[in-house]
Amino acid sequence: QKEVEQNSGPLSVPEGAIASLNCTYSDRGSQSFFWYRQYSGKSPELIMFIYSNGDKEDGRFTAQLNKASQYVSLLIRDSQPSDSATYLCAVNSDRAQGAQKLVFGQGTRLTINP
Amino acid sequence: DGGITQSPKYLFRKEGQNVTLSCEQNLNHDAMYWYRQDPGQGLRLIYYSQIVNDFQKGDIAEGYSVSREKKESFPLTVTSAQKNPTAFYLCASSPGPFNQPQHFGDGTRLSIL
Repeated sequence: QKEVEQNSGPLSVPEGAIASLNCTYSDRGSQSFFWYRQYSGKSPELIMFIYSNGDKEDGRFTAQLNKASQYVSLLIRDSQPSDSATYLCAVNSDRAQGAQKLVFGQGTRLTINP
Repeated sequence: DGGITQSPKYLFRKEGQNVTLSCEQNLNHDAMYWYRQDPGQGLRLIYYSQIVNDFQKGDIAEGYSVSREKKESFPLTVTSAQKNPTAFYLCASSPGPFNQPQHFGDGTRLSIL
């Protein structure tokens, strides 16, 4: 059974600080990695995706991937109260072309304190 | 506007009843997916479809059925065989190629009467 693990939190971060969210996965052959943000009662919204080892930056968000350690993280700089949400890590390890079979972690609940 | 439309937003099922959740997309995406989310949990894949007239079971397909007669539509039926159907149901789509991200509709909340 392929697994994706996240600390469920809650993770509490002061406004303006860096929030660091972590995710580990069990399938060493995993090839694509996604971070979604989900506000309470809403559907997930794509924040970042990363395919290669290293860092990928988009505005205040940075995704970091380390395939050797089977670890992917999301950093949020200059955290804002509007960043308070649950962050879902998703991993695709299905090598078939076409559709993806994403495995999701249980999510980390992040609270930004003003 | 391009997007994924799920309906209804809320749905109630009586004992022994089948109910169908609608998912329509106008993004011209080839692949479509159905997920279930229980409170405090991540998403679990029910069914997915790569092309019209073809679909595959996900991790929790028992008690559910789907069809893909048109590229833009992927309805999910929750049958009476699904004994614990109360959940948040999410439909997603992606362009098709392996690494392209999935985007989600607004979801349907299903409850038992």
